[in-house]
Amino acid sequence: EDQVTQSPEALRLQEGESSSLNCSYTVSGLRGLFWYRQDPGKGPEFLFTLYSAGEEKEKERLKATLTKKESFLHITAPKPEDSATYLCAVQGGNDMRFGAGTRLTVKP
Amino acid sequence: DAGVTQSPTHLIKTRGQQVTLRCSPKSGHDTVSWYQQALGQGPQFIFQYYEEEERQRGNFPDRFSGHQFPNYSSELNVNALLLGDSALYLCASSSVEAYEQYFGPGTRLTVT
Repeated sequence: EDQVTQSPEALRLQEGESSSLNCSYTVSGLRGLFWYRQDPGKGPEFLFTLYSAGEEKEKERLKATLTKKESFLHITAPKPEDSATYLCAVQGGNDMRFGAGTRLTVKP
Repeated sequence: DAGVTQSPTHLIKTRGQQVTLRCSPKSGHDTVSWYQQALGQGPQFIFQYYEEEERQRGNFPDRFSGHQFPNYSSELNVNALLLGDSALYLCASSSVEAYEQYFGPGTRLTVT
């Protein structure tokens, strides 16, 4: 069965303190790995799609990377407005499977 | 360019009642998926519609049913509501040619 595990569950950073979020997955026939940002009470906002090991995508302070078993979301010099829950999801042969997310808090 | 829209925003129902949630996909998208998200959890896949047919289904009971209309909009129906059905219900749309899904703002359902 497809599985997605995200760590840590919660992360508190000072403004400007860079860090990484982890997404470990098992899936039969990966068709894509997705990162989303979700603010409280709102729908997830699409960030990145990664399709194959070695692929990297960047957007502002965020950079996503992919290996055969995990993905990392690197946050460089975060700002308070980056505070949100970051969700990882994989698309295999069946449905899209989500992890429980990492709740990021960036303090000024 | 209008994104995914959902209605209503919030809904309060009593145990045993039935509810219908609505979704309009992003312009150019023809596939609609529905998810249930409990507090502190990631979204869980309910089902997906394409060409007015249920294409895939997650591990949800038959109380959960859906429909897709010719204009690609969709409805999620839940019968015989249970307290455990209280959650944020998310609709996501995509193109059959791509896997990226774009989410609506969700409908917060509370069952009392």
